Amino acid sequence: AQSVTQLGSHVSVSEGALVLLRCNYSSSVPPYLFWYVQYPNQGLQLLLKYTSAATLVKGINGFEAEFKKSETSFHLTKPSAHMSDAAEYFCAVSDGYGGSQGNLIFGKGTKLSVKP
Amino acid sequence: NAGVTQTPKFQVLKTGQSMTLQCAQDMNHNSMYWYRQDPGMGLRLIYYSASEGTTDKGEVPNGYNVSRLNKREFSLRLESAAPSQTSVYFCASRTAGTSGLNEQFFGPGTRLTVL
Repeated sequence: AQSVTQLGSHVSVSEGALVLLRCNYSSSVPPYLFWYVQYPNQGLQLLLKYTSAATLVKGINGFEAEFKKSETSFHLTKPSAHMSDAAEYFCAVSDGYGGSQGNLIFGKGTKLSVKP
Repeated sequence: NAGVTQTPKFQVLKTGQSMTLQCAQDMNHNSMYWYRQDPGMGLRLIYYSASEGTTDKGEVPNGYNVSRLNKREFSLRLESAAPSQTSVYFCASRTAGTSGLNEQFFGPGTRLTVL
């Protein structure tokens, strides 16, 4: 069965510092991986997705993630945090196979705080 | 395009009452989903509809029913609400395809409180 683990339910960084949000997945087939962002009182918005075309994926708002098969990881990074990055971030996996293809399994989320 | 819309935005129910959450998408997507979000739990799939005319249970279907009214609309019904169903409910949709690589698009959510 697929699963997603996000290490750290809360991460706090200073403005201008590196953002690193960790995601490890478990999947018996080649996975499709997604990062979503949720701003307060809003729905989820796609940041980026891994579709096997390239291991380093660039997303919106300066975020990127690297797929590492050997480590079963898909960590999200941003070189310099901005106050507007404060939000909750969700990693999700889809196996793309079978009748439930396209269904997403979400991690529990990481809330990012950015200090001035 | 409005994307995915949900009504109502907020609702307070008493235990035992029933209600239907409405969801509509205008992106001509085949697949639609209902999730619930609880603090520290991430999003959990309640029901999904891979295509018009089909619905299937997700991870947490107990206490809920769904109807795929047409390609645009997918409703979630609570027949007898319980305090454990206090949550934020999200509807999502996804374009067709045999691969799972197409992302889901989410509505703004319905905040439900059951007293």
